[in-house]
Amino acid sequence: QKEVEQDPGPLSVPEGAIVSLNCTYSNSAFQYFMWYRQYSRKGPELLMYTYSSGNKEDGRFTAQVDKSSKYISLFIRDSQPSDSATYLCAEYSSASKIIFGSGTRLSIRP
Amino acid sequence: GAVVSQHPSRVICKSGTSVKIECRSLDFQATTMFWYRQFPKQSLMLMATSNEGSKATYEQGVEKDKFLINHASLTLSTLTVTSAHPEDSSFYICSARDGMRESKNIQYFGAGTRLSVL
Repeated sequence: QKEVEQDPGPLSVPEGAIVSLNCTYSNSAFQYFMWYRQYSRKGPELLMYTYSSGNKEDGRFTAQVDKSSKYISLFIRDSQPSDSATYLCAEYSSASKIIFGSGTRLSIRP
Repeated sequence: GAVVSQHPSRVICKSGTSVKIECRSLDFQATTMFWYRQFPKQSLMLMATSNEGSKATYEQGVEKDKFLINHASLTLSTLTVTSAHPEDSSFYICSARDGMRESKNIQYFGAGTRLSVL
């Protein structure tokens, strides 16, 4: 079993829709949870990070962590074509390595 | 936010040559830097962890003599792909962790280097 599972997509939604991206993880020792956005042929860009269960909001983005279920989500409201990218969930382990999900390719249709 | 600069962004070289990639943290001191490799439509694969002033720690399966890493200062790490071959063609990405900030466990990434070996 992979430490982090993420649906690779692709996920295609119309502009303005609410997008839900999800990951599950197996390691209870994970303390920090992050979402990165990666445009084609670019490095990942940190979008959100949190270290506790619950919701964290930043503009159109909301990160949700449920430690009891080992489930994290990223919601994007009022999605825009510029949101089209690959979204990587990531968890930080006590071994000082970031464990990345495989990434979900998201496409927002104008 | 924290800025990591990676250079060059694109390299095309002949088989057998060596290629050096630089990674710089511009507005913070990076006690630890990481080097990743990414194949098309796949996630990032950690190659090695680099701590300033000490030898890099390589992940299993990564040849340390092939991928030389130097982290001589708190703002600069370099990856040298020695005697590059076509199978080394890939997207290489560095990241840096700022040990002084509250969110010290967060890594900030460079823009990546696309290496093509002919």
